[in-house]
Formats: sequence, C-alpha cells, structure tokens
Amino acid sequence: QAVVTQEPSLTVSPGGTLTLTCGSSTGAVTSGHYPYWFHLKPGQAPRTLIYDTSNKHSWTPARFSGSLLGGKAALTLSGAQPEDEAEYYCLLSYSDGRVFGGGTKVTVL
Amino acid sequence: EVQLVESGGGLVQPGRSLRLSCTASGFIFGDYAMSWVRQAPGKGLEWVGFIGSNSYGGTTKYAASVKGRFIISRDDSKSIAYLQMNSLKTEDTAVYYCARTAAYWDWGQGTLVAVSS
Repeated sequence: QAVVTQEPSLTVSPGGTLTLTCGSSTGAVTSGHYPYWFHLKPGQAPRTLIYDTSNKHSWTPARFSGSLLGGKAALTLSGAQPEDEAEYYCLLSYSDGRVFGGGTKVTVL
Repeated sequence: EVQLVESGGGLVQPGRSLRLSCTASGFIFGDYAMSWVRQAPGKGLEWVGFIGSNSYGGTTKYAASVKGRFIISRDDSKSIAYLQMNSLKTEDTAVYYCARTAAYWDWGQGTLVAVSS
C-alpha cells in the first residue's frame, strides 16, 4: 500500500498562519484521492475537519481550510488559537483502500 | 444525532480471537459504509478497513497489516458493524474506532484492545 507523508511537528504563534501538507508515495495528490483532515486531542475521539479536499462540516471553524498545493493536499490554519493544539492526520483514498499519514503534532506557542 | 458506540474490547492472548461491535443510532444505518480505524499506544491513526453499504454490495477492503486475519461485517437489522479479529498479535494492541463513512466521517469513542500473554 501507498505511504502518506506529513510533517512530524509544526509550531505556530497564537494568531499566526500554518500550512500542513499531505503527500503520497504514488505521485501527486489529486481530488481523486478525496483528501480528508482529522484532528485528534488526547483522550478524545478523532474529529473530521475537512473532507473531499476542501469541504467543511458546519462545526469546522472558519480558520481551517483545505486545498491542493504543489502536488500535495494542504490544511491551512489562519489565526491559530490555543485550542488548535492537537495532532492532525490526513487520509487519502486509493483503489485498494485508504491510508492515513503519520500525523502532524501542532503546537501553538 | 449520530451516535456510534464501540464495545467488545479487552485483554486477549496472542493467537486468540476477539470480536468488536459498533452500535449505531441516529441515522439509517443501512445507507452508510462503515470504517474501522485504530491507534496503537504512542502511534498515529491506522486505517483498518471498511464495509460498504449493502446497496453497494457490502464490499469490504482491508489494510495489508490485517488482511486475512480481520473480517468486517454488518447487521443492518440491528444497526451494528462488527470487526472480527483473528490470530491476534501484540502489535494489534490499540484503541479501535468505528466511523460512519459518509462524505463526512462521524466517529465513536473507541474501545481498547490489549494483546498480551
């Protein structure tokens, strides 16, 4: 199965902007991989932030946005808040199943 | 409100079997695919597999790490998805989550499976 890569860790200042990326070992990530972004906080279940590249649920804070950038899926956080400190995972779809990235630990400091 | 409750976790010896259940409410269960995802201690999320809705033939797909050992099934009359785990290994120790796999994923709270002698 494919390997999906994410930055292991990133730090952002409160109010700052951060972009997380999600790459695929098979080549460029496209909308056909239906990229998802989830966040995971200690002791909580994962929660969907973005689906199908850029779609948001009604609860997704407006400061989060998804896109395709330079052959990767991207999650941009604009105006970081302390509560955004979490692990972020992307998920890509392939013909033989789905694969999560290794996750990005985001620190707001 | 969509609710997913996993159950059936616990301590099991290597080589043994365990069946997890995911009981759903708040939506028409038969209309949705269901996925299983796990998180081993100190590790990231790992996709385990999914089962399509019966209107799509109830297709199943699995991660390479569990293919041939794990089986996902569903009982639409009871609104339950199952994860049958056979030939368990210590590396299967994880919190197992089920998720309603629509365009937007809804998640359960997870159940812990510990494989140890």
